[in-house]
Amino acid sequence: EVQLVESGGGLVQPGGSLRLSCAASGFTFSSYEMNWVRQAPGKGLEWVSYISSSGSTIYYADSVKGRFTISRDNAKNSLYLQMNSLRAEDTAVYYCARILYDSSGLDYWGQGTLVTVSS
Amino acid sequence: SYELTQPPSVSVSPGQTARITCSGDALPKQYAYWYQQKPGQAPVLVIYKDSERPSGIPERFSGSSSGTTVTLTISGVQAEDEADYYCQSADSSGTYPRVFGGGTKLTVL
Repeated sequence: EVQLVESGGGLVQPGGSLRLSCAASGFTFSSYEMNWVRQAPGKGLEWVSYISSSGSTIYYADSVKGRFTISRDNAKNSLYLQMNSLRAEDTAVYYCARILYDSSGLDYWGQGTLVTVSS
Repeated sequence: SYELTQPPSVSVSPGQTARITCSGDALPKQYAYWYQQKPGQAPVLVIYKDSERPSGIPERFSGSSSGTTVTLTISGVQAEDEADYYCQSADSSGTYPRVFGGGTKLTVL
């Protein structure tokens, strides 16, 4: 069974940093592209970042470019999101999601981890 | 930036057909994907590549594409289909590889 489990969320002050992790199991992690997607309270989905299966290709949404860094460790079956210079508007549930093979769709999602940026 | 436009809400009675649209300039060239999200839960992929249905998704869910608009159709709507629905696609240049629509709240009356 495919499982994605996020961790690392919490309360952080504006300007602070946080590192999210996503532990993958039930599939060959190194063969799949991955994404981070977030959802602010009561709002819609917002794509945050993409990383290819090898980690060689990376994309970011304009709203996080220069502040967030996506990475992965295929040996540990783990995806990461380093978030720096956090702002109140970064407050959201952060989901990691797997890309459906040969498409751009997201076929498996984790349960999400809440990040709250507040003083 | 690139935008996908969805109606904020759609309402139907049980057993009727619900149609949720998503509009975007690049949709003639880019596939669309649809997600269902119920309160407190992660999104679930219900349609990929415009009209393909993942395994485990009921046959009453279907997708279609025409020009700059894609449509999610739910035939014979059931109470359990009440949820938020999001479309997802990309712009034609690849600058914005993944964009979500604003979401549509489906209410089953």
